[in-house]
Amino acid sequence: NAGVMQNPRHLVRRRGQEARLRCSPMKGHSHVYWYRQLPEEGLKFMVYLQKENIIDESGMPKERFSAEFPKEGPSILRIQQVVRGDSAAYFCASSPNRVDTGELFFGEGSRLTVL
Amino acid sequence: SQQGEEDPQALSIQEGENATMNCSYKTSINNLQWYRQNSGRGLVHLILIRSNEREKHSGRLRVTLDTSKKSSSLLITASRAADTASYFCATDPRTGAGSYQLTFGKGTKLSVIP
Repeated sequence: NAGVMQNPRHLVRRRGQEARLRCSPMKGHSHVYWYRQLPEEGLKFMVYLQKENIIDESGMPKERFSAEFPKEGPSILRIQQVVRGDSAAYFCASSPNRVDTGELFFGEGSRLTVL
Repeated sequence: SQQGEEDPQALSIQEGENATMNCSYKTSINNLQWYRQNSGRGLVHLILIRSNEREKHSGRLRVTLDTSKKSSSLLITASRAADTASYFCATDPRTGAGSYQLTFGKGTKLSVIP
């Protein structure tokens, strides 16, 4: 049973370009969470999605960032017009139920570097 | 603001010693979880303790929870070099609308010297 799959693992973009990060949850998991981690910091919640629905996007910047989890295919975190401050590791996690009932399963992360 | 704060920020011990990490949080919680992160990798769940539990064991791990002090501790006994990693506590704040997010602290970086 494959774990949470994220790609790409590393992504380099120039300022102003777009970054697309993909996440396939564990089989049977319908809850997806995106977190951002800056160097030497903990993880900061960005968004929580279920299939075709954004449930909580309170941690996501209002501009340039968007997330989706379509009926078919992976969840995608999209960052438009990237700036140097977007450089970070972005982690996706999934769970079979809502987080207040159990653990999250994390992917290996996508490391974005903005030049 | 951070819900969970780990203490110490860094800890260096000899192999075979015990390692204790602490976590303090601010609001009422449904549960508290501990995760481990090896350098450059994703987080791995270690243990979950619910708000009505006081202590939990899993192999060489022992977690305590004191809801009156809003604090938890993670004890790793008989540490090994392979335990070298960052350890994070994560809280699931209890809200009337239901909680959708875990809030992580900045972590304790543990180094176990062979």
